[in-house]
Amino acid sequence: AQSVTQLGSHVSVSEGALVLLRCNYSSSVPPYLFWYVQYPNQGLQLLLKYTSAATLVKGINGFEAEFKKSETSFHLTKPSAHMSDAAEYFCAVSDTNNNDMRFGAGTRLTVKP
Amino acid sequence: EAGVAQSPRYKIIEKRQSVAFWCNPISGHATLYWYQQILGQGPKLLIQFQNNGVVDDSQLPKDRFSAERLKGVDSTLKIQPAKLEDSAVYLCASSLAGVWGEQYFGPGTRLTVT
Repeated sequence: AQSVTQLGSHVSVSEGALVLLRCNYSSSVPPYLFWYVQYPNQGLQLLLKYTSAATLVKGINGFEAEFKKSETSFHLTKPSAHMSDAAEYFCAVSDTNNNDMRFGAGTRLTVKP
Repeated sequence: EAGVAQSPRYKIIEKRQSVAFWCNPISGHATLYWYQQILGQGPKLLIQFQNNGVVDDSQLPKDRFSAERLKGVDSTLKIQPAKLEDSAVYLCASSLAGVWGEQYFGPGTRLTVT
């Protein structure tokens, strides 16, 4: 079965600094990969998804992620952090044969002024 | 477009009691999911419906959890009897059939079992 591992349960950056949230996946078939964001007391919101088209995927709020098959990675980046980016971020993988989505444990992003 | 609605938002019960959660998906979304999110963890799929049929319930603890989706729209998730370890946020999500990954999540129900 597919799975994802998010490296770092908590990442802290200064406002304006680069954001890098790491995600590695495991899948026996070509995967679909996703990043979701969760603000306090809210449901998850899709940031971006990779579905075997372009390997560099651009999402909402200035985030992007690059699919690297050789490294089995799908790291999330944003050039300049904003205070409003503080949230929990989840990487997820879905088998292309079904829509069974498996989530990572999440990374809490803190943005310092 | 209205989002996924869930109620109640918060629920506190004692162990061995029963509880039910309600979900109304986005109109036209054939696929509905229930997830359990324990504090500090990612969401775990409990059950997936396609219209009113169950697609996947392999991770649903069937001795105490049950779910139904009558008429292929609203869904209810029930726990009976509840255990302390059931304390979690229960998320409902929906998606268009065949659209991989674009699941739209409701705000969740935070359950505390004492």
